[in-house]
Amino acid sequence: EAGVAQSPRYKIIEKRQSVAFWCNPISGHATLYWYQQILGQGPKLLIQFQNNGVVDDSQLPKDRFSAERLKGVDSTLKIQPAKLEDSAVYLCASSLGGGGAVDTQYFGPGTRLTVL
Amino acid sequence: DAKTTQPTSMDCAEGRAANLPCNHSTISGNEYVYWYRQIHSQGPQYIIHGLKNNETNEMASLIITEDRKSSTLILPHATLRDTAVYYCIVRHHNAGNMLTFGGGTRLMVKP
Repeated sequence: EAGVAQSPRYKIIEKRQSVAFWCNPISGHATLYWYQQILGQGPKLLIQFQNNGVVDDSQLPKDRFSAERLKGVDSTLKIQPAKLEDSAVYLCASSLGGGGAVDTQYFGPGTRLTVL
Repeated sequence: DAKTTQPTSMDCAEGRAANLPCNHSTISGNEYVYWYRQIHSQGPQYIIHGLKNNETNEMASLIITEDRKSSTLILPHATLRDTAVYYCIVRHHNAGNMLTFGGGTRLMVKP
């Protein structure tokens, strides 16, 4: 079974530029998550999708971050414009979406963003 | 969700059991204990979860105290590949599957 795919793996941009990350979840997984992980900290949830609808985006900085999952499969996360403090690893995860205690999240390898 | 407290780092000799503690003294009756780990440059990986009873799978064992205020993840025979950051997370089973990660424990397995 293929895992969660993310691209690119690394990205370096200058502040005020725009950047987009792509995620392909495990086939058949209805729920998709984007996390931000700053160096030395645990991942922090940015947004959660159930199919193509947003379940939770309370921690997404909506003035500069946006995410979509138009067809309920792939997803993109965009930052526009980027700030220095956005330097982090952006992790995508997916789960079957049944909820409950056993809805295990599977994570991709992440995209490491450096903002100069 | 209840807050968890874990030691910042631990060492373990290769081949020995690694016992990683987690304190969750404010856990409520419907909250599960989950463990994930994150190997360097990879995304987090699910290990195990439990509610009240001790659990065991092919990766690890989870021991939860009777009052549920703390738990211990046991890797019975640690290998160098078990070197990682281990996260203990407490989550309500109806919390929309959201995981709140803390700082975790950095486990270093040494030869």
